[in-house]
Amino acid sequence: SQTIHQWPATLVQPVGSPLSLECTVEGTSNPNLYWYRQAAGRGLQLLFYSVGIGQISSEVPQNLSASRPQDRQFILSSKKLLLSDSGFYLCAWSPPDSYEQYFGPGTRLTVT
Amino acid sequence: ILNVEQSPQSLHVQEGDSTNFTCSFPSSNFYALHWYRWETAKSPEALFVMTLNGDEKKKGRISATLNTKEGYSYLYIKGSQPEDSATYLCAFRRSYIPTFGRGTSLIVHP
Repeated sequence: SQTIHQWPATLVQPVGSPLSLECTVEGTSNPNLYWYRQAAGRGLQLLFYSVGIGQISSEVPQNLSASRPQDRQFILSSKKLLLSDSGFYLCAWSPPDSYEQYFGPGTRLTVT
Repeated sequence: ILNVEQSPQSLHVQEGDSTNFTCSFPSSNFYALHWYRWETAKSPEALFVMTLNGDEKKKGRISATLNTKEGYSYLYIKGSQPEDSATYLCAFRRSYIPTFGRGTSLIVHP
């Protein structure tokens, strides 16, 4: 069966510090991968998606970046965090050519 | 920018009440409509994926309908229980990229 892992579960970082959130999927090949964010009082916002290794599309311009160094690994990064980067970050995957989408457990990021 | 609207924004009901929410989405280039249940501090749990106009899905006390021509979907909960308290999200897809609504927050009082 397929599983999706995200870490860390919670993170408190000062403004200006770097960020690295990692997401891995097990039990599948060539998944579509997604990073979402929910900021306080707002809905889920798609940040990045990837249909293959090294293929990253950005939905929203910001100081975040994403990378997919391996087929089932998706990393969200920032060189310098802003206060507005605080939120709940969710990684998700879907099988290629499928309607389904499955979410990871999420990371609560607080930028102080 | 795609507009996916959910109403109401929040809802308080008594245990045993039946309730329903609405998700409105663009009626053109429809691919799929998702419903998720999202509890605080957990990840969204998939309830239904609906792809055809007229689709009706059911899972226990929860059911959903889909009208792609007019661009709306209803989610129904029959005999609400306190454990149904959560945010219910819908997501509209024209491709493999979903656009989420802001959700309906349901609180069921014992």
